[in-house]
Amino acid sequence: GQQVMQIPQYQHVQEGEDFTTYCNSSTTLSNIQWYKQRPGGHPVFLIQLVKSGEVKKQKRLTFQFGEAKKNSSLHITATQTTDVGTYFCAGDGATNKLIFGTGTLLAVQP
Amino acid sequence: NAGVTQTPKFQVLKTGQSMTLQCAQDMNHNSMYWYRQDPGMGLRLIYYSASEGTTDKGEVPNGYNVSRLNKREFSLRLESAAPSQTSVYFCASLLKGGNTIYFGEGSWLTVV
Repeated sequence: GQQVMQIPQYQHVQEGEDFTTYCNSSTTLSNIQWYKQRPGGHPVFLIQLVKSGEVKKQKRLTFQFGEAKKNSSLHITATQTTDVGTYFCAGDGATNKLIFGTGTLLAVQP
Repeated sequence: NAGVTQTPKFQVLKTGQSMTLQCAQDMNHNSMYWYRQDPGMGLRLIYYSASEGTTDKGEVPNGYNVSRLNKREFSLRLESAAPSQTSVYFCASLLKGGNTIYFGEGSWLTVV
């Protein structure tokens, strides 16, 4: 079945440093979504990428969808303490069957 | 506008007991989902319903049953709870053709 892996599992950075998490799917995806989950909270939708090679930016966050539509990345420039949380990618390889990646926990030290 | 509402928020069950987690959305969404989240395991899809009247297995369906009662409601039932089902359960919904999944607040279930 479809599998979605993320690396790293955990990243600890100093405030102001950059951060990147990578997402890889075992199958080609129709789209990829990214979510953020704060400790004790529920996942919150950040963005969806649909086109091969697509790049989208949200302030300090840059999202990229691979050419083969099997991988994606999220890059945060100059992290802040408010960026703390777990970042998940989620792939939709079949109609409405959304499979989540394993997540990357980001810790930011002030 | 409540969004996605899950009940109960917290529950402790004894092994072998049964219970139903309720989920309702008021956004007229077509698709609904049940996920479980365990430490270090991310979110795993249990069952989903692409539209009213249909349900399909996800990644980890064993030990669970679901009912899409109507367009608003999607319930998850544990017939005979096991300690391995101790987890946080999230319900979610998606509008057909939409790109944003909305999650409920989560239900913390402990099976002893």
